[in-house]
Amino acid sequence: SAVISQKPSRDICQRGTSLTIQCQVDSQVTMMFWYRQQPGQSLTLIATANQGSEATYESGFVIDKFPISRPNLTFSTLTVSNLSPEDSSIYLCSVEGTGGSGTEAFFGQGTRLTVV
Amino acid sequence: AQSVTQPDIHITVSEGASLELRCNYSYGATPYLFWYVQSPGQGLQLLLKYFSGDTLVQGIKGFEAEFKRSQSSFNLRKPSVHWSDAAEYFCAVGDDYKLSFGAGTTVTVRA
Repeated sequence: SAVISQKPSRDICQRGTSLTIQCQVDSQVTMMFWYRQQPGQSLTLIATANQGSEATYESGFVIDKFPISRPNLTFSTLTVSNLSPEDSSIYLCSVEGTGGSGTEAFFGQGTRLTVV
Repeated sequence: AQSVTQPDIHITVSEGASLELRCNYSYGATPYLFWYVQSPGQGLQLLLKYFSGDTLVQGIKGFEAEFKRSQSSFNLRKPSVHWSDAAEYFCAVGDDYKLSFGAGTTVTVRA
């Protein structure tokens, strides 16, 4: 299994500012994923972050709004830029399973963002 | 494209009663299927998963799910629910660790 630590766990931000969310994993993983969970909604994949390459964004998400860094195999950041109230969501980091568990995605506790 | 449908938005069940949550998927190949639970204020926890083999899968917390290819379904069941099972449940399908989630089913447990 993988233990994922996300920071911050929650934040309240002013519109027009940015928030950077950190995701730290206790083991090396090739792929890291960022999801968004809007209030009362399911999870939607934002992008896939591989170490050493640019993130791959899903339809409807762009790098200018959601820049991602992946400096090494245990860490990634997601920045939500130019915040608006519509960005109020839970943002979750996810990684592939390790330790012979096969195809399995592990999730961090999430970052609850409120934009005011 | 892969997709998941959870027909039931909200289910209320009495403590001790049985629970079944429905999940239907659309996927071009043999799917990897998952059930996750999200308790209030908590992250996602994997209940169980199906990759291949036995179509009846046992998970944690007394949950099981049955994969039925002919019906494109992967329904989650628990014979006797506990008050602590009140949560939101997500069915997901995917591969390469990228998941498509259903809309979720909220389970309320009444005493």
